[in-house]
Amino acid sequence: EAGVAQSPRYKIIEKRQSVAFWCNPISGHATLYWYQQILGQGPKLLIQFQNNGVVDDSQLPKDRFSAERLKGVDSTLKIQPAKLEDSAVYFCASSLSGAPGYTFGSGTRLTVV
Amino acid sequence: RKEVEQDPGPFNVPEGATVAFNCTYSNSASQSFFWYRQDCRKEPKLLMSVYSSGNEDGRFTAQLNRASQYISLLIRDSKLSDSATYLCVVGGIGGATNKLIFGTGTLLAVQP
Repeated sequence: EAGVAQSPRYKIIEKRQSVAFWCNPISGHATLYWYQQILGQGPKLLIQFQNNGVVDDSQLPKDRFSAERLKGVDSTLKIQPAKLEDSAVYFCASSLSGAPGYTFGSGTRLTVV
Repeated sequence: RKEVEQDPGPFNVPEGATVAFNCTYSNSASQSFFWYRQDCRKEPKLLMSVYSSGNEDGRFTAQLNRASQYISLLIRDSKLSDSATYLCVVGGIGGATNKLIFGTGTLLAVQP
């Protein structure tokens, strides 16, 4: 079974620039999540999709972050404009509907300078 | 108060030692509990679910005390390969069965 695919693996941008991350979940997984993990902290949920609908985006900084999941499969997360404090690893994860366990992708390490 | 609290460590233990990690959670409505393992610069991976009756997987034993809102993980006969960060995870809050809340993690370093 192919895992959760994410790209790019690394990204370095200057503050105020924009950046986008891409995720392809495990085939058949209806639920997709984006997590942000700042160094020294646990992963924090940014947004959860069920198919192509948003279930929870309560912790997404909507003034600068946006995410979409067109057609209920792939998803993109965008930051515009980036701030220094956005430096983190952004993980995508997916799960079967109702299943508590997640499978994480390998993450995108973002550095904002 | 954080939703999931863990001692960040690090725990430095010799090979063969027994080590225990503890975790507390704030929301009594939580319904699912897990331990995830995260290696340096890697993604979190599910180590084991935690059940009220306690459960064991080889050298790993997890326990849950709902009354105290406390979760534990015991590792017996530590191996060098056990060195990682162990994340306490709570889910099922408010009926959102899939939503998981992660603790900050406890760093374990097993020394030769």
